Amino acid sequence: ETGVTQSPTHLIKTRGQQVTLRCSSQSGHNTVSWYQQALGQGPQFIFQYYREEENGRGNFPPRFSGLQFPNYSSELNVNALELDDSALYLCASSLGGRDQYEQYFGPGTRLTVT
Amino acid sequence: AQSVTQLGSHVSVSEGALVLLRCNYSSSVPPYLFWYVQYPNQGLQLLLKYTSAATLVKGINGFEAEFKKSETSFHLTKPSAHMSDAAEYFCAVRGGQGGKLIFGQGTELSVKP
Repeated sequence: ETGVTQSPTHLIKTRGQQVTLRCSSQSGHNTVSWYQQALGQGPQFIFQYYREEENGRGNFPPRFSGLQFPNYSSELNVNALELDDSALYLCASSLGGRDQYEQYFGPGTRLTVT
Repeated sequence: AQSVTQLGSHVSVSEGALVLLRCNYSSSVPPYLFWYVQYPNQGLQLLLKYTSAATLVKGINGFEAEFKKSETSFHLTKPSAHMSDAAEYFCAVRGGQGGKLIFGQGTELSVKP
């Protein structure tokens, strides 16, 4: 069973640029959630995708957008990068549905905006 | 709305001593609660979960947590700390549509030899 994978591991971007982060969900999982973890803080929910549709969104501006593909992998896109976007971005996969409890996290992508 | 508060941003114990990490929650519905561990430069690993079954939940690596509704608490314990337990620990509650997780600020556990 393959776990959750994310790419790239690290990324350095300049303010104003755009970035795409990728996530492959665990085998059999149809739900992907994205979280932003700033240094020294707990993860903050960005949004979730269930069967290719957005299924909940946190308090993040529209320049944070996402996509889920038919194989349930996912992308997080961030436009017009700001310095405060520097963080660890975590992807978590789960088996969606009313009784889904557990989210399995990938290793994260460390984004640095200069 | 759901929320989680972790008391103490840093806890230090000696190897072999009891580990106690505190978590209090707020939830308008019966909560689902989780503890995750994060080692440096890694993602989050699920330690244990409470989903309205037994109030004493056993997890991996010898950790356990007790759900106390009257105290709105879900503290994490381990009888004897190992050096390998040094990490950041996060308490989380499931909230809202889609089962998003709401995390506390985290508690860094240090283990002294």
